[in-house]
Amino acid sequence: GAGVSQSPSNKVTEKGKDVELRCDPISGHTALYWYRQSLGQGLEFLIYFQGNSAPDKSGLPSDRFSAERTGGSVSTLTIQRTQQEDSAVYLCASSSPGQASGQPQHFGDGTRLSIL
Amino acid sequence: AQTVTQSQPEMSVQEAETVTLSCTYDTSESDYYLFWYKQPPSRQMILVIRQEAYKQQNATENRFSVNFQKAAKSFSLKISDSQLGDAAMYFCAYRSASPYGNQFYFGTGTSLTVIP
Repeated sequence: GAGVSQSPSNKVTEKGKDVELRCDPISGHTALYWYRQSLGQGLEFLIYFQGNSAPDKSGLPSDRFSAERTGGSVSTLTIQRTQQEDSAVYLCASSSPGQASGQPQHFGDGTRLSIL
Repeated sequence: AQTVTQSQPEMSVQEAETVTLSCTYDTSESDYYLFWYKQPPSRQMILVIRQEAYKQQNATENRFSVNFQKAAKSFSLKISDSQLGDAAMYFCAYRSASPYGNQFYFGTGTSLTVIP
């Protein structure tokens, strides 16, 4: 597709359930980011993938959060045993090769996650 | 870690007037990139403008321009001839130019209202 695609756009689930959020980056983009945005807040970095390198997981808030990126393309963010404080918009972004060249990120529309 | 500060949670401007959004950042690095992103109610983050720290000339994109003061670590966004479609959250972001600088650091955003 032309842009970063995220699914689902909205997800409502019960506390304690596991959820999977999907991100399909722009074709050819080697860098992929996940962010969390709580209501009215800025972006909180979660995890970063660059090519075949080990991901930067320094932003993951707990071990309930994990992410993988298969084949250097699609990424899945998994939240286990969801808590109400996990409710937020989860944004995915990708950027083109040239890590040090200041390439901007291209964002998806996000997944709004609501934990009941 | 670098920090990005947007001290104006909310701003308003009359249609056709000019408004300036402020951003300051803290870093010990000499080479980096700065970005302004716009997030309308549709939620998708859109790149507005980018500045490379080693360039003294301020970036300009149509009605959007920046005032980059490297010594002061200031990166303000000026929107000229404001239009109703400019109403959005605006985020300032920093990225290191180092090949090890994976993360984008975002400010907490400024909500811009455009008054008809």
